[in-house]
Amino acid sequence: SQKIEQNSEALNIQEGKTATLTCNYTNYSPAYLQWYRQDPGRGPVFLLLIRENEKEKRKERLKVTFDTTLKQSLFHITASQPADSATYLCALEGYSTLTFGKGTMLLVSP
Amino acid sequence: DAGITQSPRHKVTETGTPVTLRCHQTENHRYMYWYRQDPGHGLRLIHYSYGVKDTDKGEVSDGYSVSRSKTEDFLLTLESATSSQTSVYFCATGTSEQETQYFGPGTRLLVL
Repeated sequence: SQKIEQNSEALNIQEGKTATLTCNYTNYSPAYLQWYRQDPGRGPVFLLLIRENEKEKRKERLKVTFDTTLKQSLFHITASQPADSATYLCALEGYSTLTFGKGTMLLVSP
Repeated sequence: DAGITQSPRHKVTETGTPVTLRCHQTENHRYMYWYRQDPGHGLRLIHYSYGVKDTDKGEVSDGYSVSRSKTEDFLLTLESATSSQTSVYFCATGTSEQETQYFGPGTRLLVL
């Protein structure tokens, strides 16, 4: 089965800087990969989906890259704000559904 | 939240008691999922449904059963709750099998 690795340690950055989160996976390369945001006490919310034939995808201050050779996706938030503080999960196709990583907590300080 | 509600939002129960959690959606999504989320484990799939009366097991299905008699409702039942089933349970829906999922607000279950 697919195994997903996200940095378990929280990422602390200053407001205005670019946050970069990593998602590594093993085994087969998925046809696409997704990123979700989860705030404390709430369900995950979909942010972006990138397909295997797309190297990069952007949405406002968010950018996702997908390197099928390295089996890695990078998730960037530019000009980060305290409101970006949350846990970010990557997810990719597993058996019949998505498999989620454990997530990385991002803390943006003013 | 794609019109997804979960009930109850919080529940405390005793070991050995049956518990049913309800997920209701208003989006007419074909797929529905039940996950549990625990520290150190992330989101783990319990059961999912790909249509009315069509369900299948996920990664951690032991001790759980599900039913889907209507498109909009997906029930998760703990036949005899155990302390290891203390968790936060999330329902999700989707229009296709492995693409974007929309999550409900979650149910916090404490089994004493």
